[in-house]
Amino acid sequence: QKEVEQNSGPLSVPEGAIASLNCTYSDRGSQSFFWYRQYSGKSPELIMFIYSNGDKEDGRFTAQLNKASQYVSLLIRDSQPSDSATYLCAVMNSGYALNFGKGTSLLVTP
Amino acid sequence: DAGVIQSPRHEVTEMGQEVTLRCKPISGHDYLFWYRQTMMRGLELLIYFNNNVPIDDSGMPEDRFSAKMPNASFSTLKIQPSEPRDSAVYFCASSLGTSGAEQFFGPGTRLTVL
Repeated sequence: QKEVEQNSGPLSVPEGAIASLNCTYSDRGSQSFFWYRQYSGKSPELIMFIYSNGDKEDGRFTAQLNKASQYVSLLIRDSQPSDSATYLCAVMNSGYALNFGKGTSLLVTP
Repeated sequence: DAGVIQSPRHEVTEMGQEVTLRCKPISGHDYLFWYRQTMMRGLELLIYFNNNVPIDDSGMPEDRFSAKMPNASFSTLKIQPSEPRDSAVYFCASSLGTSGAEQFFGPGTRLTVL
């Protein structure tokens, strides 16, 4: 079973701080990595994807990938209460199927 | 454009009954995915189709589950007979393979089996 592991949280950060969400995966052959955000009672929505080692920035979000360590992270700068949600890490192992972690719950406090 | 459409949004049924969940993918998308989400197991892939053909059904929990995609704009997930442990939120998602793997999720069907 190819695993994607996330700390379930909740991760609590004050408004304006940096939130750091982490994910590890077991399949060394994985090529594509995704971060989805899911608000309570809603469906997941894609925030970012990353394919290459290093950092990828999009607005307040930065995805970081280290394939040697089998580690992917998501940084959220200037966190807002509206960022409070569950963040799902997903790994594409083969084909177009995604293997999701169980998610990290983020709470941004005013 | 309309997103992925799922029906019904909520379904309450009794153990042993047949349940059919429906999905209309985004027009033009060639991949369709069925997921199940529970607190215990998270978001799990059940089956996915490419151009209406099932590609990987290894996530289907048992023979009580079946899925079909008779055409590019419609798919069903059927559970017969249903059991209380099937209670979950079932998501359908679609993607366009040629543009990468961003999957667009429908609103989900919350299934409760009593």
